Amino acid sequence: SSVLTQPPSVSVAPGKTARMTCGGYSTGKNSVNWYQQRPGQAPVLVVSDDSGRPSGIPERFSGSNSGSTATLTITRVEAGDEADYYCQVWDTSSDPLFGGGTKLTVL
Amino acid sequence: QAHLVQSVAEVKKPGASVKVSCKASGYTFTGYYVHWVRQAPGQGLEWMGWINPDSGETNSAPNFQGRVTMTRDTSISTAFMELTSDDTAVYYCARGINGWFDPWGQGTLVTVSS
Repeated sequence: SSVLTQPPSVSVAPGKTARMTCGGYSTGKNSVNWYQQRPGQAPVLVVSDDSGRPSGIPERFSGSNSGSTATLTITRVEAGDEADYYCQVWDTSSDPLFGGGTKLTVL
Repeated sequence: QAHLVQSVAEVKKPGASVKVSCKASGYTFTGYYVHWVRQAPGQGLEWMGWINPDSGETNSAPNFQGRVTMTRDTSISTAFMELTSDDTAVYYCARGINGWFDPWGQGTLVTVSS
């Protein structure tokens, strides 16, 4: 089966930069979308189509996709950024596929 | 502004089915697919399927084929997902737009208990 690989956890101090990766399934050939899910809440789209930023999402959130790895970058990390982050692509069956998620901890 | 509101939490017995609703507002309901996503406790997101509210066409993930039924009522801009499952989970609906999901409903917790 198709698998999108994300590191289970990333930790970063407030004010620093967090980088979360997504790979393993042709991410270099597919557009990647990223979602933030705060504890007890529904997911929210934070990056679309590799690097697009939806309305209302701070400029601190950015995305890139090169080679076989996509990256979500959050600069000047704040306590409120602590959440699970999921990447998503479309597989060869034209079905959506989610990564396993990365838990971002703000130290 | 697009908005999706789901039905409240439910408790069901093992083997019984549950039907979750997802009411859309702020956009043309028939213009965008509605997707359903499951999240088991402490686990990640799992795509279940989609419905085209305009035609009623559906497509479900292999894991859910034969167990999930997706329908819609365009007169009330609402999509429905009926599932026979013994898994306690949160079920989300989300609007599909240009290849991503935005917005999402608030989620419906379905608890299976005898």
